[in-house]
Amino acid sequence: KAGVTQTPRYLIKTRGQQVTLSCSPISGHRSVSWYQQTPGQGLQFLFEYFSETQRNKGNFPGRFSGRQFSNSRSEMNVSTLELGDSALYLCASSDDRAYEQYFGPGTRLTVT
Amino acid sequence: AQSVTQLDSQVPVFEEAPVELRCNYSSSVSVYLFWYVQYPNQGLQLLLKYLSGSTLVKGINGFEAEFNKSQTSFHLRKPSVHISDTAEYFCAVSDYSGYSTLTFGKGTMLLVSP
Repeated sequence: KAGVTQTPRYLIKTRGQQVTLSCSPISGHRSVSWYQQTPGQGLQFLFEYFSETQRNKGNFPGRFSGRQFSNSRSEMNVSTLELGDSALYLCASSDDRAYEQYFGPGTRLTVT
Repeated sequence: AQSVTQLDSQVPVFEEAPVELRCNYSSSVSVYLFWYVQYPNQGLQLLLKYLSGSTLVKGINGFEAEFNKSQTSFHLRKPSVHISDTAEYFCAVSDYSGYSTLTFGKGTMLLVSP
């Protein structure tokens, strides 16, 4: 099976702009989770989608949002970008058992 | 809520030496436990997991980990490391809620030198 794919891999944006990141899960996986990774805060959970519904949410401001489509692909949006949003954004998918997650290579976002 | 503590931010070791990466967790409920590895400029790869049963679990690349409920620990071990094991290792927990939410430790950088 093909793994989790994320596009784009690298992105440079300016403060105040918005950005959309995309994630395609492993075929058959209906759960998609998003994580932010920074040197200071480490890996932090953003949100999880299951069958097009947000099932769980981390402690991030409302500027961070997401959605999931009927084919399980997911997008994450960050509006009004801040310098502190610079991070590696990782997407992970899992099957209905939710025991383990498979991660994509991530999107490296740099905000200038 | 859960939390994970990885006691060492960096562990330097010589090639072919044994290594142990320490992980302690805190949770008011039962948890699943995981170790992930991250190579430079890559995502996370699952090394091994503990869901139930035998407390000694074996994973990929010769790694193993032991779940100790009384000490709330899940330390990762390898009897003989290779240069290619140089990477960052993350311990993570998930509760039984059925939601796919992982709580990660801060990571341990394993530095293997010849």
